Amino acid sequence: SAVISQKPSRDICQRGTSLTIQCQVDSQVTMMFWYRQQPGQSLTLIATANQGSEATYESGFVIDKFPISRPNLTFSTLTVSNMSPEDSSIYLCSVEGTGRNYNEQFFGPGTRLTVL
Amino acid sequence: DAKTTQPPSMDCAEGRAANLPCNHSTISGNEYVYWYRQIHSQGPQYIIHGLKNNETNEMASLIITEDRKSSTLILPHATLRDTAVYYCIVREGSGGSNYKLTFGKGTLLTVNP
Repeated sequence: SAVISQKPSRDICQRGTSLTIQCQVDSQVTMMFWYRQQPGQSLTLIATANQGSEATYESGFVIDKFPISRPNLTFSTLTVSNMSPEDSSIYLCSVEGTGRNYNEQFFGPGTRLTVL
Repeated sequence: DAKTTQPPSMDCAEGRAANLPCNHSTISGNEYVYWYRQIHSQGPQYIIHGLKNNETNEMASLIITEDRKSSTLILPHATLRDTAVYYCIVREGSGGSNYKLTFGKGTLLTVNP
């Protein structure tokens, strides 16, 4: 299995500022995913990030608002730009398993963001 | 949109089997049924998946109907720590760009003492 850590675990930010969330995996993975979970809601995929290529965004999410970096096979960042209170959510990264776990996705603990 | 339908909530007594149903009437031949759960304030956790045969692992059993239009996740001896939201997801198997998981609203399972 993959062990995923995220930083920060939570933050409170002011409207109009930006926050960069880090996701670190303990093994090399090809695909990383970023999800958003709004209060009381289910998870929604923001984008898929492959190392060495531009992230692929889902409908309703744009690169200017959620720029993603994927500099190597164990690390990714998601930036929430020009934040508003509507961006208050839990942001989670996940990776597809490898080897005997290749059909599983492993999730990080999430970053709880509150925008005032 | 999610391709599955689940009851919003269920209760189960501790030590008893928890049977969580899922309807996926539009599932296609190359789509698998996956189950994940999310314990409060944690990231989702993979439980089990299957294509058409019943599956069992150390966490649960998955029963898929012969027409594949519905399935049931069985937790044989539920404990208080099994209280979570359980998500039933259909997804194509591994390969290419088909790794996306589309989460529905899931079923909140509450295990009572």
